[in-house]
Amino acid sequence: GEKVEQHESTLSVREGDSAVINCTYTDTASSYFPWYKQEAGKSLHFVIDIRSNVDRKQSQRLIVLLDKKAKRFSLHITATQPEDSAIYFCAAVSNYNVLYFGSGTKLTVEP
Amino acid sequence: GPKVLQIPSHQIIDMGQMVTLNCDPVSNHLYFYWYKQILGQQMEFLVNFYNGKVMEKSKLFKDQFSVERPDGSYFTLKIQPTALEDSAVYFCASSWSKEDTQYFGPGTRLLVL
Repeated sequence: GEKVEQHESTLSVREGDSAVINCTYTDTASSYFPWYKQEAGKSLHFVIDIRSNVDRKQSQRLIVLLDKKAKRFSLHITATQPEDSAIYFCAAVSNYNVLYFGSGTKLTVEP
Repeated sequence: GPKVLQIPSHQIIDMGQMVTLNCDPVSNHLYFYWYKQILGQQMEFLVNFYNGKVMEKSKLFKDQFSVERPDGSYFTLKIQPTALEDSAVYFCASSWSKEDTQYFGPGTRLLVL
């Protein structure tokens, strides 16, 4: 089955800088890649996704890149703010909308 | 955004007992999911459910597990009997369609003693 690896377990940036979180996947059939954010004690909150028919998607300060050849996708958060601090999970979706999650990246944005 | 509720937020039970975890999905969603996260580990898919039937389940979805959504009420995960290794946070999710975004509940923290 699908395996998703999330490369950074922790990431610390200064406010205003960019943060990049990288993930790789194994199943070439995966076609949908969502990102979720989890703040301390709260649920997973959907932030952005990308489908395999495009290689870039932007929503305000969030950019997702997809490299299907390398089976790699990444989340770029530009102009980071302290409220961006959270754990971010990448996921890849295969049949029946089953989400295979990465292990999470704890992002800290320092003022 | 759309809200999924889970009841209870925490549950402590003795090994061998039965437990039912309840999920109140987004009102017009048709697909329902359970995921399990053991402390410090990755979140893993258990099962998904549509039109009264299990569509897909993982090897984590043991014979002691069952799901149902009677009459459009709560989507439930029942574990009978529980084992120590069932201790985890269980997340429910729902989506409108098979290809749509899944929205997650806050999780139920289950501790089996």
